[in-house]
Amino acid sequence: EVQLVESGGGLAQPGGSLRLSCAASGFIFSGYVMNWVRQAPGKGLEWISYIGSAGTDIYYRDSVKGRFTVSRDNAKNSLYLQMNSLRDEDTAVYYCVRGNNGYDPWGQGTLVTVSS
Amino acid sequence: QSVLTQPPSVSGAPGQRVTISCTGSSSNIGADYDVHWYQQVPGTAPKLLIYGNNNRPSGVPDRFSGSKSGTSASLAITGLQAEDEADYYCQSYDSSLSGSVFGGGTKVTVL
Repeated sequence: EVQLVESGGGLAQPGGSLRLSCAASGFIFSGYVMNWVRQAPGKGLEWISYIGSAGTDIYYRDSVKGRFTVSRDNAKNSLYLQMNSLRDEDTAVYYCVRGNNGYDPWGQGTLVTVSS
Repeated sequence: QSVLTQPPSVSGAPGQRVTISCTGSSSNIGADYDVHWYQQVPGTAPKLLIYGNNNRPSGVPDRFSGSKSGTSASLAITGLQAEDEADYYCQSYDSSLSGSVFGGGTKVTVL
């Protein structure tokens, strides 16, 4: 079964840091591009970051550039999102998603709350 | 303000047909980038419903169909069922933003 499981969410103070992880299973992880997508409470979906299959092509939305860093370890079938200088508006459920021609599957998400 | 514009809500009686529009611009849908659709039941993660404008992943009922024309796309649900109550999102790529963009979402209510 193709599966993505996110972890690492929690409570962080404004200006703080968190590192999210996404464990992939059931498919050849190294053969797929990956993305992070977030959803603020009661709001819509927002694309955050893209990373190519080899980890060399990387893109971010403007609001997180310079603060978030996406990476992957194909040997460990894992995707990461290092989030620094967190802001209140970063509060959301963060999903890792596979692919680029329609995101599928989606993990269950991990909740990040930024609050003092 | 989402780059792709969707109506906030649509509703229909069981068995009816409803459509959800997704309006973009010349830097996304109008630039011939594909449109994808997702269904999100409250409290759960989104699920891919339509990819590449009009393709259904395995397991998605053929009651769901997608189309695209010019700078817009549409999702149609025929034979509306109670289980179709959910939020629906369109998604594409935007060359001006160099990234993926989503619509604001449409809540479908079955009357």
